[in-house]
Order: sequence, then C-alpha cells, then structure tokens
Amino acid sequence: DAGITQSPRYKITETGRQVTLMCHQTWSHSYMFWYRQDLGHGLRLIYYSAAADITDKGEVPDGYVVSRSKTENFPLTLESATRSQTSVYFCASSEPGRKETQYFGPGTRLLVL
Amino acid sequence: GENVEQHPSTLSVQEGDSAVIKCTYSDSASNYFPWYKQELGKRPQLIIDIRSNVGEKKDQRIAVTLNKTAKHFSLHITETQPEDSAVYFCGGGSQGNLIFGKGTKLSVKP
Repeated sequence: DAGITQSPRYKITETGRQVTLMCHQTWSHSYMFWYRQDLGHGLRLIYYSAAADITDKGEVPDGYVVSRSKTENFPLTLESATRSQTSVYFCASSEPGRKETQYFGPGTRLLVL
Repeated sequence: GENVEQHPSTLSVQEGDSAVIKCTYSDSASNYFPWYKQELGKRPQLIIDIRSNVGEKKDQRIAVTLNKTAKHFSLHITETQPEDSAVYFCGGGSQGNLIFGKGTKLSVKP
C-alpha cells in the first residue's frame, strides 16, 4: 500500500479556484484511476489512464482534467472548483493482464467552500 | 457500459452469525469481480476476488460465489467478528476498468 501516495491529504479551497490533486505510484503499474467517494454513491470513476499519454473518461468526468506524462504520476485538476466537488478522492493503480487488483491510495479529503 | 447493483445497503448481524452481501452486474463481458473492505476513514482494501472462469473461491472465513448465467455474485462471511464491521464494496469489469456497487455497511454486534 505504501507504493501509492496522494497529496495533499486534506484540502480546503474556495469556489472558482483551481485545485490539483497528486497521485504517485512506485509499482510501474500501467493503469491508474481517479475515483470520488460520496455518501450514498459509493466509488465513482472520474478518469482512468491505461498508460502514459493515454486517458479516458469515466462515469463522472465533468469539471475535471487529468494528464499522464509519466507512468508513475496521475494528477487530477479541478479547473474551477464547485461545492458539488466536495468529496473524498481516491487514486488507484493496477496492472491488468497479470493481476487486475486495484490498489488504492490513502485518499484526499477536499472541501470546497 | 457496466452497471453494478449491491444489496443490502446496511446489514446488522450478531457476532458469530454469517453475513451475505449480493451484487448483480449488467455487462456479460465483465470477467473480474473483486470485493473491497473499507474501514472508517481508511482506503478500500481488497479482501477477495473472483474471475469469470471460477464459480467459487474461499479464503478462511470469507467466500465469494459467482453465477455467470444470472449475472450475480455474493460475498459470504462466516463466524463474523466485531472487526468485520466496515463498508464492503463489490466491483465488476474487465481490463482494469471496474464499476463499483454503492456499498454495504456491515455492523457486527458483540
């Protein structure tokens, strides 16, 4: 589990500000994911990436931007934060084909005022 | 796309009893079905998983069964203990892309 980290762990921001959440993994997993977790909704996929420079939308991508210039990093940016984006964000990684288990980071709690 | 439904949303059992959580999925192409346990304030952690070419898998007090024809799979926890209290999520999908159920909050009363 220590192989996947997220920063910051807690973040308070204001409506309209840009926020970037960082995710870093040391396993060289090809797949990386961003989820948001809200009460009553479980884990919802925002974006995922199959490899460096390859990203795709998940279930709830609106208002978010991702990039993946390096295999180990997968930052998530809220371009103009809204209160509805207050949530806990989890990053995960996996290596499909060998073992499809997704390993989750510790999460980032984001509060948008 | 895939859709995963999970029931019940809450489950309360006495210590020592069994607990069963059920999930259904919609995409017949899904071939990987993990179960995650999430304790309060912690990250989800894998407890058991099953692939579509297997009907049942067991790991000590935990077992998962899969019925591909009916597109449903279940988590069985026997001899429950207070430390089993957590939220459990099922997932379904393939090629590393998973859709999760909304979770079941399991409470084990001593």
